[in-house]
Amino acid sequence: ETGVTQTPRHLVMGMTNKKSLKCEQHLGHNAMYWYKQSAKKPLELMFVYSLEERVENNSVPSRFSPECPNSSHLFLHLHTLQPEDSALYLCASSQDTGTGYQPQHFGDGTRLSIL
Amino acid sequence: GQNIDQPTEMTATEGAIVQINCTYQTSGFNGLFWYQQHAGEAPTFLSYNVLDGLEEKGRFSSFLSRSKGYSYLLLKELQMKDSASYLCAVMDSNYQLIWGAGTKLIIKP
Repeated sequence: ETGVTQTPRHLVMGMTNKKSLKCEQHLGHNAMYWYKQSAKKPLELMFVYSLEERVENNSVPSRFSPECPNSSHLFLHLHTLQPEDSALYLCASSQDTGTGYQPQHFGDGTRLSIL
Repeated sequence: GQNIDQPTEMTATEGAIVQINCTYQTSGFNGLFWYQQHAGEAPTFLSYNVLDGLEEKGRFSSFLSRSKGYSYLLLKELQMKDSASYLCAVMDSNYQLIWGAGTKLIIKP
């Protein structure tokens, strides 16, 4: 299923660089999510957008800045990251938020390495 | 605090049956999800349970006991392609998903 597309698939950046991750969903969903996945740890929810409005921000450092220009696109802007930010960043979408049966559809993720 | 526990790794033989357990303690309950994630790929939705009992979907079944805070995913007639991580997630009272760390399932011929 290619309903959620993330670019780039891999990113290596220095601690002083600025880069952006992009996510696009073709499923007509109203909600989009950013997650961080580190080895052997649970998925960490970073941000949730519903109808382009941010509804959740789980105490994420300000060096991560999300942007949702419309319900199909989601960006994660990165600046002055730390080595511990190296991880797989997953984007997901669901039809809506605030109800029980809302399976999330994930992209393949961006593997981020901070030098 | 909220917590989801599942075994870190399991090994099973091709053609056999395996049961992956998940126990949870969350603030409220609005359903439990199982996802499959192959290495380097996106997690994909497998099942959803909100009422007690067994939900069967082909070779995969998922069971829920809300009173025990317990679920399991049952995989029958294992195939090599079932080698993956299986993620358990519970939707809490705020409709936020709380995730387990995943169970890596290794299938041997």
